[in-house]
Amino acid sequence: DAKTTQPTSMDCAEGRAANLPCNHSTISGNEYVYWYRQIHSQGPQYIIHGLKNNETNEMASLIITEDRKSSTLILPHATLRDTAVYYCIVRGTGGTSYGKLTFGQGTILTVHP
Amino acid sequence: EADIYQTPRYLVIGTGKKITLECSQTMGHDKMYWYQQDPGMELHLIHYSYGVNSTEKGDLSSESTVSRIRTEHFPLTLESARPSHTSQYLCASSEYANTEAFFGQGTRLTVV
Repeated sequence: DAKTTQPTSMDCAEGRAANLPCNHSTISGNEYVYWYRQIHSQGPQYIIHGLKNNETNEMASLIITEDRKSSTLILPHATLRDTAVYYCIVRGTGGTSYGKLTFGQGTILTVHP
Repeated sequence: EADIYQTPRYLVIGTGKKITLECSQTMGHDKMYWYQQDPGMELHLIHYSYGVNSTEKGDLSSESTVSRIRTEHFPLTLESARPSHTSQYLCASSEYANTEAFFGQGTRLTVV
């Protein structure tokens, strides 16, 4: 699986948009970008995923650059409950990495009042 | 709401005991996974299964073993628990390899 690089930590004011960047410069054409978050060491929660088009759901938006080497997760109106560790993962769909999610260190997002 | 359940949530057990951590899902997913996570650290894949009678070792070597006799059930067993096995164990499942994986709440294991 392609490795990802994320900032160790970020801060965001409540009510503002949180923009979490991720670099995945070695991503392959058939690999998806997934975002998960983990709150207080609970089980990770799925947020969103995409291949090459931008995606939006009720939780967040995912912006993937045209060359697919980086992406940004956007939480449009961050709340205190969005404080968590956010993981950007490139998920393989072929070979020995088929379906496996490889977690990195993630970004600790702190939303403050 | 994900229908994947892990029991027990917390377990404190003595060294040398045999333990089985349970994981069940009611979504009919073929793909199931076990991750291990030490406090404040990354999640590491230790086992996965693509269907009944299919099990593979993950990226992190583990002394635990798994079985997949039924689609909905993916238990993890430690034959002889040691303090080094103290960790959180998280189970997940997905319908396909390129669809979202749902995680259970985890089992926090402490071996004394």
